[in-house]
Amino acid sequence: QQKVQQSPESLTVSEGAMASLNCTFSDRSSDNFRWYRQHSGKGLEVLVSIFSDGEKEEGSFTAHLNRASLHVFLHIREPQPSDSALYLCAVMNTGGLSGKLTFGEGTQVTVIS
Amino acid sequence: DMKVTQMPRYLIKRMGENVLLECGQDMSHETMYWYRQDPGLGLQLIYISYDVDSNSEGDIPKGYRVSRKKREHFSLILDSAKTNQTSVYFCASSWYAEQFFGPGTRLTVL
Repeated sequence: QQKVQQSPESLTVSEGAMASLNCTFSDRSSDNFRWYRQHSGKGLEVLVSIFSDGEKEEGSFTAHLNRASLHVFLHIREPQPSDSALYLCAVMNTGGLSGKLTFGEGTQVTVIS
Repeated sequence: DMKVTQMPRYLIKRMGENVLLECGQDMSHETMYWYRQDPGLGLQLIYISYDVDSNSEGDIPKGYRVSRKKREHFSLILDSAKTNQTSVYFCASSWYAEQFFGPGTRLTVL
């Protein structure tokens, strides 16, 4: 069964500094990866989806996938206090059970001025 | 604009009472999901529905059942709710591999 783990559990960064989040997964057949942001008490907002090794940029968010090492990273460029939220990594094997996303536990990001 | 709705948004029930959570989508998506979110555990999949009356257990189905009689509606039912079912419940629908999430229902079982 797919296992997805995120680190660190929480992260405090200064406004404008780069923030880097890590996600590891266990199923090498996984082929669909995404990062979500969840502000406190709110729903999930998809930030970036990535399907092949390398990088994908969406605004100030960049996902970096390395399937050989079973890692997918999220970099937040010049974070603002409004980026303070829970960040969730989700992984899917589209060849398996249809549309099943497995989530990590999340990284709580706090951006301070 | 693709939209998933959930009702109610907040619910307080006593242990042993029945609970009905409703989810709707206006995109004619075939596949819909129910998840629960607990602190430190991310989102856990309860049930998947592939279309009307075509439902499949997810990772944590015990204590829950679902109903899908129309493509646009997917219900989560807790028969005799337990305190450990206190959680935030999210519904989602999918188009190809992209999932669209509702705003969540915060359920408290006392």
